[in-house]
Amino acid sequence: EAGVAQSPRYKIIEKRQSVAFWCNPISGHATLYWYQQILGQGPKLLIQFQNNGVVDDSQLPKDRFSAERLKGVDSTLKIQPAKLEDSAVYLCASSLGRTGSYEQDFGPGTRLTVT
Amino acid sequence: QKEVEQNSGPLSVPEGAIASLNCTYSDRGSQSFFWYRQYSGKSPELIMFIYSNGDKEDGRFTAQLNKASQYVSLLIRDSQPSDSATYLCALEGDSSYKLIFGSGTRLLVRP
Repeated sequence: EAGVAQSPRYKIIEKRQSVAFWCNPISGHATLYWYQQILGQGPKLLIQFQNNGVVDDSQLPKDRFSAERLKGVDSTLKIQPAKLEDSAVYLCASSLGRTGSYEQDFGPGTRLTVT
Repeated sequence: QKEVEQNSGPLSVPEGAIASLNCTYSDRGSQSFFWYRQYSGKSPELIMFIYSNGDKEDGRFTAQLNKASQYVSLLIRDSQPSDSATYLCALEGDSSYKLIFGSGTRLLVRP
């Protein structure tokens, strides 16, 4: 079974530029998560999708971050415009269902550096 | 916001020893708890989850949960250098079932 795919793996941009990340979850996984992990911290959930609907986006900075999951499969996370404090690893994860009974499988992450 | 507290470490133990990693949480209503391992530059991977008070064993790993005292711990027996990583404690949030992570404890196992 193929794992969660993410691209790009690394991205360097200047502040105020825009960037987009892509995630392809494990086939059949209905729930998709985007996390932000700042160096030295644990992952922080940005947004959670159930199929193509948003379940939780309470910690998503909506003035600059947006995410979509078309057709309940792939997802993109966009930052526009980027700030220095957005430098982090962006992790995508997927699971069969929403509860903790279903293991979340993480992708390799995208390391974003904002200069 | 539910908080999850972990000592950042590093916790250094000799090879073959028992490593004890601890985590406390603030929301008494939390029900489900998870331990993830994260190697440097890699993504987190699930080690164990625990829902009930007491101990849960899986190979060299034992998770312990005490809801009255609001702490959860992970014991690693016969620690190996390959166990050197950051261990993240997480709990399941409210109705959205999102995971709330601590900042992690870095474990170093000395050969």
